[in-house]
Amino acid sequence: AQSVSQHNHHVILSEAASLELGCNYSYGGTVNLFWYVQYPGQHLQLLLKYFSGDPLVKGIKGFEAEFIKSKFSFNLRKPSVQWSDTAEYFCAVNAPNDYKLSFGAGTTVTVRA
Amino acid sequence: GAVVSQHPSRVICKSGTSVKIECRSLDFQATTMFWYRQFPKQSLMLMATSNEGSKATYEQGVEKDKFLINHASLTLSTLTVTSAHPEDSSFYICSATALGLAGADTQYFGPGTRLTVL
Repeated sequence: AQSVSQHNHHVILSEAASLELGCNYSYGGTVNLFWYVQYPGQHLQLLLKYFSGDPLVKGIKGFEAEFIKSKFSFNLRKPSVQWSDTAEYFCAVNAPNDYKLSFGAGTTVTVRA
Repeated sequence: GAVVSQHPSRVICKSGTSVKIECRSLDFQATTMFWYRQFPKQSLMLMATSNEGSKATYEQGVEKDKFLINHASLTLSTLTVTSAHPEDSSFYICSATALGLAGADTQYFGPGTRLTVL
């Protein structure tokens, strides 16, 4: 079974600051990696995903993530955040063809105007 | 595309009653649906996996007789919380995935159902 750890519980930033959220997973085999976002009062939305290929993945809303296999990491980044990026961010992992997702505990991001 | 809906969005019930939550895939056929539970400020915990036409697979610690799951069609799965108690109060979220859909390993989430048991 996979486990996922997100290093930051709560991150507070000012608008235009850069954001990086850490995600590490433990699993010995090939994995699919996901970042989901949950805006206040809304459902989980997929930000980006990595299955294979280029380890630098670009998602929606200016987010990107880099898969570093040697570090078992899949950190999420955004160069310049906006107030509307205030949300809960979840990293998730599954094995190929095993639809069951393992989620990290989530990171609350608060962007101050 | 890949929209998942849940109904109701919010339900309040008395202790001892049963509550049914519906999860529908609106624009695709969901071969597999998942039910999660989310406590405040915590991550999603998988409760069970259901495949169309077969019995659900429950995660360890989840009572299958308490949380009845039915996946009768490729677009509908239901979760029934039987004899609900206050400790069952939570946010229940479903997700769906499908073979043939681009990115079949990706789950699409519903908006969730807030259950409050008095």
